[in-house]
Amino acid sequence: ETGVTQSPTHLIKTRGQQVTLRCSSQSGHNTVSWYQQALGQGPQFIFQYYREEENGRGNFPPRFSGLQFPNYSSELNVNALELDDSALYLCASSFQYRGNTEAFFGQGTRLTVV
Amino acid sequence: AQTVTQSQPEMSVQEAETVTLSCTYDTSENNYYLFWYKQPPSRQMILVIRQEAYKQQNATENRFSVNFQKAAKSFSLKISDSQLGDTAMYFCALVWTGANNLFFGTGTRLTVIP
Repeated sequence: ETGVTQSPTHLIKTRGQQVTLRCSSQSGHNTVSWYQQALGQGPQFIFQYYREEENGRGNFPPRFSGLQFPNYSSELNVNALELDDSALYLCASSFQYRGNTEAFFGQGTRLTVV
Repeated sequence: AQTVTQSQPEMSVQEAETVTLSCTYDTSENNYYLFWYKQPPSRQMILVIRQEAYKQQNATENRFSVNFQKAAKSFSLKISDSQLGDTAMYFCALVWTGANNLFFGTGTRLTVIP
């Protein structure tokens, strides 16, 4: 166990709806990154939060947004859900965002859009 | 731009035997880190081994070792004495020192056969 927890573990939503996924980072970690893993693919970087500020973003539209709270937990919000948003969403926490710091992953949230 | 390529979608190995998973990458950066992550059916991404690009010596972690060929941009993972618990998806990943996100390959599904 890494100490990173995500909720919920599974979720089914209808196209056009909005969804919020949550991540509780490991104690002492101030950086949270979110990844989307489509079926049969490797994770793709969505964005990262460092000390409550967005600190980089991948190639995802603005309807993917996030928050980081003072306790460094984080939320990923997706508006106007599309069928292609169906994927495993992974959260990773680390101490600082530099490449030499290890990222610890949660078990993911499986989102199905119907 | 960074890219990571894993050309073996699936592999299998007999229990107690040795298997090598391949990974090639491309980056214009000089300072970067390479990783192998394991993703079992529980979905939680677990760090297996890490290699700093500035180190010529190949990293080892118990039964896991890498063959890092910087000039060829190759980073293979060798698993010795394979165990049933090694059955999982294995992802090769790259991050450069100043970056904030991991670039993943598409993964190799490894099955250890009793």
